[in-house]
Amino acid sequence: DAMVIQNPRYQVTQFGKPVTLSCSQTLNHNVMYWYQQKSSQAPKLLFHYYDKDFNNEADTPDNFQSRRPNTSFCFLDIRSPGLGDAAMYLCATSLGLAQETQYFGPGTRLLVL
Amino acid sequence: EDQVTQSPEALRLQEGESSSLNCSYTVSGLRGLFWYRQDPGKGPEFLFTLYSAGEEKEKERLKATLTKKESFLHITAPKPEDSATYLCAWRSNDYKLSFGAGTTVTVRA
Repeated sequence: DAMVIQNPRYQVTQFGKPVTLSCSQTLNHNVMYWYQQKSSQAPKLLFHYYDKDFNNEADTPDNFQSRRPNTSFCFLDIRSPGLGDAAMYLCATSLGLAQETQYFGPGTRLLVL
Repeated sequence: EDQVTQSPEALRLQEGESSSLNCSYTVSGLRGLFWYRQDPGKGPEFLFTLYSAGEEKEKERLKATLTKKESFLHITAPKPEDSATYLCAWRSNDYKLSFGAGTTVTVRA
C-alpha cells in the first residue's frame, strides 16, 4: 500500500544534542509537510516543500530546519533541542497544493531529557 | 482573524447513542473544510473534505455536513472503535492547513 513512513517512531535526545527525524513516502506526491503537535493541541505547520522549493512558516524557530534530498524523503533537523521541543512530529504529503488532501504519517514522538 | 472552534472538547457516548460534533469557522475565502480522525499516539487519518455549503459526505457511521458558518460530523450508532479525537481543519490559501483543537470522543460499550 502507498503510504507515509516516519522513522523512528520514538526518539529520545538530550538537551542541546542535534537530532534528525525522517519521513519517506511511496505516494509520489510533490508536496511534503512537517507539523509539530504538542500534547492535546492541534498540529502546527512548521514548513513544507513543493518539490525542491522550501517554504518556512513565519513563526517556525530557526532551530528547526529541513532537507528534501529527493521526491521520496524529507528530514527534520532540530539543531539544539530544548525541553519545549518535546512533541509529536508529523510528516504529511499531498499531490499538489491547491485543494489537495494531506495524508499523514504515524508521527515521531520526541522526548528531550 | 481566521478562526475555527470545535465543540465540545470531549464527548462521552454510550454505544449506539448518536451525536454530532461541531466545527464553527470564521474564515475568509475558505478553500476546503477537512475532517480527520486521530487515535492516541498516531497521525491524523483523513476522513472527508467539504468545499461548499450544502455539501454532505458519508463513510460508514460518519456523516459530515457543511453550512456557510459551520460543519458538523454526525456519528450514527457509534461503536467503541469510533473512540478517537476528531479534528477539523481548514484551508484559506493555496497550501496551509490549519487545525482546530479537536473533539475527543469516547464510546463506552
